[in-house]
Amino acid sequence: DIVMTQSPLSLSVTPGQPASISCKSSQSLLHSDGKTYLYWYLQKPGQSPQLLIYEVSNRFSGVSDRFSGSGSGTDFTLKISRVEAEDVGVYYCMQSIELPHSFGQGTKLEIK
Amino acid sequence: QVQLQESGPGLVKPSETLSLNCTVSGGSISTYYWSWIRQPAGKGLEWIGRIYNSGGSTNYNPSLKSRVTMSVDTSKNQFSLKLSSVTAADTAVYYCRRNFDFWGQGILVTVSS
Repeated sequence: DIVMTQSPLSLSVTPGQPASISCKSSQSLLHSDGKTYLYWYLQKPGQSPQLLIYEVSNRFSGVSDRFSGSGSGTDFTLKISRVEAEDVGVYYCMQSIELPHSFGQGTKLEIK
Repeated sequence: QVQLQESGPGLVKPSETLSLNCTVSGGSISTYYWSWIRQPAGKGLEWIGRIYNSGGSTNYNPSLKSRVTMSVDTSKNQFSLKLSSVTAADTAVYYCRRNFDFWGQGILVTVSS
């Protein structure tokens, strides 16, 4: 199984400041079709996860442009340009290149 | 916009079978992959498996494969999960999901006598 490792596991950010979360996979997520199957989700308190980014860097419909994804192969990053109070929650990366699909442990973002 | 809603018993006895349904509204279940994911309290997300309606093809997590069955009922725009021989370790919030985008709100299932 592909292991997804996130860091840090928690971070506390002042509103208006940037934040960055790393996700590393135990195998390359680059498929022979040229796509890289890495996703980012945010689970707000008491809610189900919501898709932020798909295939490394594509923002899902309605997602703020403050969120951006980057990376390749086995190393990926989610960046929030200016953190807002509504960004609080747990961020997960997920791979779908290989079954079973697997998630990172989650990174909890709180506001200072 | 598509919406998903899980339903089923919130309490299941040990050794029995957990059965959940996910009703899809605002879109057809005839295409896309439909998945189940679970989350024990205070823990991370575990992919259980998925079904593709066209042909009813399924993929299950090997860690649960011997106990999992998924199916689709196109007439009800609904898909389902059955997990047999449950134990306390199966207590979790269960989510259904379309492809990688839309999720249901989740349903808490507790395994206890």
